[in-house]
Amino acid sequence: AQTVTQSQPEMSVQEAETVTLSCTYDTSESDYYLFWYKQPPSRQMILVIRQEAYKQQNATENRFSVNFQKAAKSFSLKISDSQLGDAAMYFCAYRSAHISNFGNEKLTFGTGTRLTIIP
Amino acid sequence: DGGITQSPKYLFRKEGQNVTLSCEQNLNHDAMYWYRQDPGQGLRLIYYSQIVNDFQKGDIAEGYSVSREKKESFPLTVTSAQKNPTAFYLCASSLRGQVDFGSGTRLTVV
Repeated sequence: AQTVTQSQPEMSVQEAETVTLSCTYDTSESDYYLFWYKQPPSRQMILVIRQEAYKQQNATENRFSVNFQKAAKSFSLKISDSQLGDAAMYFCAYRSAHISNFGNEKLTFGTGTRLTIIP
Repeated sequence: DGGITQSPKYLFRKEGQNVTLSCEQNLNHDAMYWYRQDPGQGLRLIYYSQIVNDFQKGDIAEGYSVSREKKESFPLTVTSAQKNPTAFYLCASSLRGQVDFGSGTRLTVV
């Protein structure tokens, strides 16, 4: 079974600064997807960024980027120029891409990191 | 607008009563999921369904039941056998890699 570990329950960053959230995972599969989700106080889950394991290039979405280290099974999220609206819980998640799971997009989540932005 | 509707947003029940949480989607997604969220534990999968009239247990299915009689609907029943039912419940649906979440139901059992 796959596991996802987020070792930082809480993080804080000064507005406009950069912060990195850590995530490690364990899997015996070679083909999978990794995600970062944001959950603001409204509790709506919002997809921040996605990484396919077969891609060596790190994914980037505006101020959000990842550092994907497949051999180390590490998947950290970097938020640049932090804004007050970035304050939220952030969840790292794993999904298998194995053919046996076709049509099944069930996710395995980490325990989350609560990010606070200091004005 | 297409989306996932979970109702109600807040639900209170007495201990020992069964309660059903509603999840409806109009995204024409094939697969649907129920997750439970507790403080410090992230989201854990309760049940999922890939097609109508079929569903599978997730990691924490004990004390829960589901049905999938229509593509659009995937209700979750929290039974009296669930030892700690107070939690936040999230429904999701997916198609070809696109996963969408509802806004959740906060269940409190007193």
